[in-house]
Amino acid sequence: QVQLQESGPGLVMPSETLSLTCTVSGGSIISYYWSWIRQPPGKGLEWIGYISDSAVTYYNPSLKSRVTISVDTSKNQFSLKLSSVTAADTAVYYCARVARGPPVFDYWGQGTLVTVSS
Amino acid sequence: DIQLTQSPSFLSASVGDRVTITCRASQGISSYLAWYQQKPGKAPKLLIYAASTLQSGVPSRFSGSGSGTEFTLTISSLQPEDFATYYCQQLNGYPLTFGGGTKVEIK
Repeated sequence: QVQLQESGPGLVMPSETLSLTCTVSGGSIISYYWSWIRQPPGKGLEWIGYISDSAVTYYNPSLKSRVTISVDTSKNQFSLKLSSVTAADTAVYYCARVARGPPVFDYWGQGTLVTVSS
Repeated sequence: DIQLTQSPSFLSASVGDRVTITCRASQGISSYLAWYQQKPGKAPKLLIYAASTLQSGVPSRFSGSGSGTEFTLTISSLQPEDFATYYCQQLNGYPLTFGGGTKVEIK
């Protein structure tokens, strides 16, 4: 059974960079795309972007100038960096696997709350 | 961006009720639509993809239909564990987008 686990700081200062890592267990990171999705408290879901095992990326244009997603196949991990954060970036951040075929998210991490505040 | 509008945004229903949730797309997306269920404090769970294909392990009381711009998620007989928020997601164009959600609560 594939499992995903997000890790990283729960508090980030405004204007700094949010950094999260997702560790995949129970399966290989190879041959799949991997995604980040976020959910502000009490609100809906926003797709951030995804990356393949060969580091092909696609980002949401609304965040593209501030987002970097990277992958480390040797560690079965992928990561998110979001720069110049503001309070509007406060959210639960989820990592997820993109199923083969149409890009739906078939496995999710439990999510991690990141608060942007001084 | 393709906008998805869900209705209703909130509904109150009883155990055993038949429940239908609608998702409308701002442009045609063929059958490239998925549905997710999210319970409080938990990650979303994939229920249906390609508008009507049930994800493995999902109970058969869930069904999806539609194509083009209008889609529905139906729960044939609501069970206590089905009280949750449901989201649609379009897979037809980038950026991938989600509907605003429909919260199903106990009457």
